[in-house]
Amino acid sequence: DQQVKQNSPSLSVQEGRISILNCDYTNSMFDYFLWYKKYPAEGPTFLISISSIKDKNEDGRFTVFLNKSAKHLSLHIVPSQPGDSAVYFCAAITSGSRLTFGEGTQLTVNP
Amino acid sequence: DTEVTQTPKHLVMGMTNKKSLKCEQHMGHRAMYWYKQKAKKPPELMFVYSYEKLSINESVPSRFSPECPNSSLLNLHLHALQPEDSALYLCASSQDQTLGNTIYFGEGSWLTVV
Repeated sequence: DQQVKQNSPSLSVQEGRISILNCDYTNSMFDYFLWYKKYPAEGPTFLISISSIKDKNEDGRFTVFLNKSAKHLSLHIVPSQPGDSAVYFCAAITSGSRLTFGEGTQLTVNP
Repeated sequence: DTEVTQTPKHLVMGMTNKKSLKCEQHMGHRAMYWYKQKAKKPPELMFVYSYEKLSINESVPSRFSPECPNSSLLNLHLHALQPEDSALYLCASSQDQTLGNTIYFGEGSWLTVV
């Protein structure tokens, strides 16, 4: 049972444009959501998080939006840069710090 | 400093070998984690240590044996592994298990079982 889903395995955007990565979840007990970025042969790097009591969190070029009623969150990157090319994982936490990851979306930003 | 250091980066072992993966953090974090990631799959939680005590074991086979010698170190002892155990093993840490604490990952140890 995949509780966190990233339905787009890949996304390609032009440099300078907006990248929108989507994530859906099924478990209403999730309290906290995180986005991680992963380059090949490296561990996931934390990007940005959002608590379930908020609907938006912004950090520089990265903004995460949470729609609790739709059980949907998205990561917006604007403007996108070639260095943003990586796999992006959405993750959700319940109590006990169990991180449940989505399958990941490969973002490619073309110069 | 948000560094979680894992050694070795690469390990090849036979099915009868005994080896260990090591993880270290000096952020004063009291929760440490082992995750396993197979190719093109998301990381999966294996173990959680909280204040040096095992708090979560996600039904991991006994051929994987975690150990937390002190608050900065986390080991994963490997014995009689199978080829299907070949994967990227990720260590992570967080302040503690309180919701909202960021979980930081190391770069991982690539394990190949032959």
